[in-house]
Amino acid sequence: DSGVTQTPKHLITATGQRVTLRCSPRSGDLSVYWYQQSLDQGLQFLIQYYNGEERAKGNILERFSAQQFPDLHSELNLSSLELGDSALYFCASSVGPGLGTGELFFGEGSRLTVL
Amino acid sequence: AQSVTQLDSHVSVSEGTPVLLRCNYSSSYSPSLFWYVQHPNKGLQLLLKYTSAATLVKGINGFEAEFKKSETSFHLTKPSAHMSDAAEYFCVVSRSGGSYIPTFGRGTSLIVHP
Repeated sequence: DSGVTQTPKHLITATGQRVTLRCSPRSGDLSVYWYQQSLDQGLQFLIQYYNGEERAKGNILERFSAQQFPDLHSELNLSSLELGDSALYFCASSVGPGLGTGELFFGEGSRLTVL
Repeated sequence: AQSVTQLDSHVSVSEGTPVLLRCNYSSSYSPSLFWYVQHPNKGLQLLLKYTSAATLVKGINGFEAEFKKSETSFHLTKPSAHMSDAAEYFCVVSRSGGSYIPTFGRGTSLIVHP
């Protein structure tokens, strides 16, 4: 058990809908990262928050947004969903603002299926 | 800038034979290198990491990797494969000593035959 909790584990929805994925980082970790994993794109970095502030942005679509709350949990909001958004979404956490010589701890992911 | 290339998308071995998963990296700075493993329907778990100490790094479950700066490689090895090693393996590069987003390779699927 990594200590990172993601909900829901599975989600099925229709095109055009909006969903929210939730992540609770490991106790003591201040950074939260969101990744998208699909068969054709591999593991893609979406966005990182550190202690409530956006720290880095990767290949995140404008239809997607995220935030980190004062209790350090994070939410990833996906809107106007398309079939191509079907993927496994991972949350990871780390102690500091970057990986450096540390370690990323991953949750078990939220599998999103868009029909 | 940094990048990582996993040279094989799939590696197939028989149980009890050696495992070699290849990874080359590119980094403008002194790199930190990692191997993560992902079992089916699970999150990624750290196997081992190199952070500018010993070049031969030992990890969990009998895996090890050697950092070769001259070859810009960080290949993952194990002397004897077990069925439970069947999984997806990711090589990751980051910048040591800083606050940088790690770059993941595309992954190598390890298949272990009985």
